[in-house]
Amino acid sequence: AQSVTQLGSHVSVSEGALVLLRCNYSSSVPPYLFWYVQYPNQGLQLLLKYTSAATLVKGINGFEAEFKKSETSFHLTKPSAHMSDAAEYFCAVSYNQGGKLIFGQGTELSVKP
Amino acid sequence: EAQVTQNPRYLITVTGKKLTVTCSQNMNHEYMSWYRQDPGLGLRQIYYSMNVEVTDKGDVPEGYKVSRKEKRNFPLILESPSPNQTSLYFCASSWRDRLPYGYTFGSGTRLTVV
Repeated sequence: AQSVTQLGSHVSVSEGALVLLRCNYSSSVPPYLFWYVQYPNQGLQLLLKYTSAATLVKGINGFEAEFKKSETSFHLTKPSAHMSDAAEYFCAVSYNQGGKLIFGQGTELSVKP
Repeated sequence: EAQVTQNPRYLITVTGKKLTVTCSQNMNHEYMSWYRQDPGLGLRQIYYSMNVEVTDKGDVPEGYKVSRKEKRNFPLILESPSPNQTSLYFCASSWRDRLPYGYTFGSGTRLTVV
């Protein structure tokens, strides 16, 4: 079955440090890929998406992600963490245009002062 | 403003008492879906709908019902809620036949069944 794996249920970084959140998908067929962010007591907000155009995708709030087909990965990065980045992050994949999103387990990001 | 509206935001109920969580979108999206979010499990799809009168089961449909009588509305019905349905629920919508711009999510409904 198609699946998404996020390595690390909890990641902690210092303010100003690099943020790296890992996501791997299971299929050999390149899917559409998404990163969502969920702030406390809120719904999910789209950070960025990969839809088979450029492999390096830039999103909101300074985040970006790189699609690597050979590694079946779509890791999320930000050069310098801010306190406001503390949230839960979900990687998700879709294998058709308007269809089902399959989510990873989520990674909670903490940012220390 | 384009949005998905869920109600209520919070709900505490007792085992066996039927309830409905409403979901409405104003973007004319064909595709709508319900997810539940549980710690360590991410979001799991309960039911989805490709268009009016077209619904199908997701990964965890047991104990839930849905209907899609109008394009904008997609209510989630729990006929006889049980404590294992205590969860955070999200409704989402998207275009069906276009590039996956991603879902638009509602703000969530936190349900507690005692």
